[in-house]
Amino acid sequence: DAGVIQSPRHEVTEMGQEVTLRCKPISGHDYLFWYRQTMMRGLELLIYFNNNVPIDDSGMPEDRFSAKMPNASFSTLKIQPSEPRDSAVYFCASSSRQGSNQPQHFGDGTRLSIL
Amino acid sequence: KNQVEQSPQSLIILEGKNCTLQCNYTVSPFSNLRWYKQDTGRGPVSLTIMTFSENTKSNGRYTATLDADTKQSSLHITASQLSDSASYICVAFYGGSQGNLIFGKGTKLSVKP
Repeated sequence: DAGVIQSPRHEVTEMGQEVTLRCKPISGHDYLFWYRQTMMRGLELLIYFNNNVPIDDSGMPEDRFSAKMPNASFSTLKIQPSEPRDSAVYFCASSSRQGSNQPQHFGDGTRLSIL
Repeated sequence: KNQVEQSPQSLIILEGKNCTLQCNYTVSPFSNLRWYKQDTGRGPVSLTIMTFSENTKSNGRYTATLDADTKQSSLHITASQLSDSASYICVAFYGGSQGNLIFGKGTKLSVKP
């Protein structure tokens, strides 16, 4: 059974450019989460979806960040314009069913470097 | 203020030895506490999930404990293996929402031969 798939695995781009990160959740999972991990702040939740609908985006740092989930098998996290402080590892995770006691399954992340 | 603190920050042990990692949490209202293992360059992998009523949960050589009164959790690793070298992250959920969670900064464990 395929896990959560993220692409690209690595992205290096210049400040000001648009960056799009992609995620394919585990089939049948109806929750999808986007996280960011840095050395300074650790893991932080950015936004999560339930049945393709954004439920809580209070962790999105600013308007330069946006996330969409057009269908149950695909989500994107977009940064426009990108800044050096956005450099981090971005993880996507998915989980099944309602309730907060379901394990979240993480992808292997996108390592983003903004020069 | 909701927070999760882990100790130690890092730990080096010899293969075959046991070790215990600590997590102190302050969240309200408490929902559940999770331990994740994160290998270098990989995403976190869930080890255990414990609710208020559970005080011990095992996953192979990993045993997590939870004391809801003192708001402390520990992760005990038995007979460590080289593959246990990783960061171990404690996460506290609160309020019943999937979006209400606080991550600890993790403990970096190195198992040496």
